[in-house]
This record gives sequence, C-alpha cells and structure tokens, in this order.
Amino acid sequence: GQQVMQIPQYQHVQEGEDFTTYCNSSTTLSNIQWYKQRPGGHPVFLIQLVKSGEVKKQKRLTFQFGEAKKNSSLHITATQTTDVGTYFCAGVTTMDTGRRALTFGSGTRLQVQP
Amino acid sequence: GAVVSQHPSWVICKSGTSVKIECRSLDFQATTMFWYRQFPKQSLMLMATSNEGSKATYEQGVEKDKFLINHASLTLSTLTVTSAHPEDSSFYICSARDLWTSSNEQFFGPGTRLTVL
Repeated sequence: GQQVMQIPQYQHVQEGEDFTTYCNSSTTLSNIQWYKQRPGGHPVFLIQLVKSGEVKKQKRLTFQFGEAKKNSSLHITATQTTDVGTYFCAGVTTMDTGRRALTFGSGTRLQVQP
Repeated sequence: GAVVSQHPSWVICKSGTSVKIECRSLDFQATTMFWYRQFPKQSLMLMATSNEGSKATYEQGVEKDKFLINHASLTLSTLTVTSAHPEDSSFYICSARDLWTSSNEQFFGPGTRLTVL
C-alpha cells in the first residue's frame, strides 16, 4: 500500500532558527496537504498543493511540492514559540476505482526553545 | 470556519462493553466523514471512510464488525467500538469534508480518548 514518510521525526530549535520537514511518498500523489497539531489538540489544515513544482507561502511558512509529485517540504523561517507542534503531511492518491485515499505521514514534532 | 464536534471527549469503560462515539459537522454538510485513531506521539491512521447513506469503506486490517460506522445524515457519523478491549484504548479522531466546496480540506473534530480497563 501507499506509504508516506516524513523526516525528521523530531527537531528542537532555538527561537529564530529555521526549520524544515520533508515528506516522501512511495507513489505519485494527486495532491498533498499539510496539517499542524498542537500538543493535546487535533490536526488543523494548513494548505493543499496540487500542481507539480508548486510553491506556496503563508507568512513565515513555505510549502513546496516536488516536480514528480512524490515529495514535499515545509520550511519555517525564524521560528517562534507559537510554531511548536507536530506537522503532518498527508498525501492524496486516486485509485483505479476513482476512490481517493488520504495517507498521513509520520509527522515531525517541532520544539522551539525561547 | 467549519466546525466538527465529537462526543464524548473521553470515555473509560470496562473490557467487553461497547462504546459509541459521535462526530457532527456543526455548520456544514458532509457527505464524507473519516475516522482515524492515533496512538501517543504517532501519526493518524485512517480506519474507515464514512459515506452518508451507504456502507463505510474500511482500511485494510480494520475489522468492520468491531468498529461499526453509521453515517445516517449529512451532519452525523457514529463509530461504535464493540466488545472493547484494552488494546482498543486510543485517541479516535473524526474529520469531515464540506459537501459544497471542491477543496479536499478536512476539518477535524477534537478527538475522543478511549481507555478500556
């Protein structure tokens, strides 16, 4: 079945440092979504990337979708303590039956030290 | 933004009993709702896709007779864990997609923490 891997599993940074998490899929994706889950909370949708090579920005966050639509990255510039949480990518694949499946990556837990 | 509620927030039950978890989309209609379970510090594992008015689609390895899903209306899906055992203890999260938007965005409920003694 489809697998979505994320690295690193955990990263601890000083406030102000940059942070990047990488997502790789074993199969080509229709699109990829990114979610953030704060400790004790539920996942919150951040963004969806659809086109090959797409780059989208949300303030200090930059999302990229690979040319082959099998990998993606999330980069945070100058982290703040409010960025703490686990970031999940979720890949969407469309099966032969037309059914769509969303598979979550393993997540990257970000800790920011003030 | 779209809101999804779950009830109960947490439940503790004895082994062998059944537990029902409700997932409601409060301000939008959802033909499709998803049920996930999440173990501590791990990712979300999709259990099943719940479609309004039809049978749920279960992921490989998920027992449909153990995890009964009912999606009776466009705003309500229920997950019943039958004959629960300690290994069923987990965080169960539902999500829903808005019927009227083309976005694939899923709105997640706050989750239900199940502890089976």
